[in-house]
Amino acid sequence: GAVVSQHPSWVICKSGTSVKIECRSLDFQATTMFWYRQFPKQSLMLMATSNEGSKATYEQGVEKDKFLINHASLTLSTLTVTSAHPEDSSFYICSASRGRTFVEQFFGPGTRLTVL
Amino acid sequence: AQKVTQAQTEISVVEKEDVTLDCVYETRDTTYYLFWYKQPPSGELVFLIRRNSFDEQNEISGRYSWNFQKSTSSFNFTITASQVVDSAVYFCALSEARLREAAGNKLTFGGGTRVLVKP
Repeated sequence: GAVVSQHPSWVICKSGTSVKIECRSLDFQATTMFWYRQFPKQSLMLMATSNEGSKATYEQGVEKDKFLINHASLTLSTLTVTSAHPEDSSFYICSASRGRTFVEQFFGPGTRLTVL
Repeated sequence: AQKVTQAQTEISVVEKEDVTLDCVYETRDTTYYLFWYKQPPSGELVFLIRRNSFDEQNEISGRYSWNFQKSTSSFNFTITASQVVDSAVYFCALSEARLREAAGNKLTFGGGTRVLVKP
């Protein structure tokens, strides 16, 4: 149990276009979902935390107008990278947790974004 | 603010050698959780262990063992008799257990240690 999927697993797009990444909890209801970004040979950096039905909470330095997060249901959160540029190329990973008292996060397989 | 430091950026060993990965953390909370994750070349994070701040017992799981020392704020990880399949990046992470806040259980990751096991 506790499987998280991401779609797509990789995407290549042209500079200036928008890209949507989906994160789904397949066998549990995720009250909280997290989005991370990982540049090559670096650690995971938390971008934002989203709770179902409410606005996402962004970490300092993350542009909320550029990285739109929608947590529309208890099993789906989406991250849209708007007007993508080459510097947005990165590995994006989502995670989900079950309930606010359950500590463990379950990670998706990640989405590799390349912006040309 | 919380911080996790993994001082070793890369470790290279020959198969069957033991390897210990260091992790030092900082937090102001009295209740917190520590994790280790493995990230193989595929990129997907693999959960290895979770330890809460009140449980200082060391743990062994197969070839893996963990040494939690609250007095030195360290949570070290040892792989015994390493194998080529152990080659990966290993992350230590810390979660402050703010159970009543919507943004609870945020994870702070260390910089990661890349382990290369040569045959």
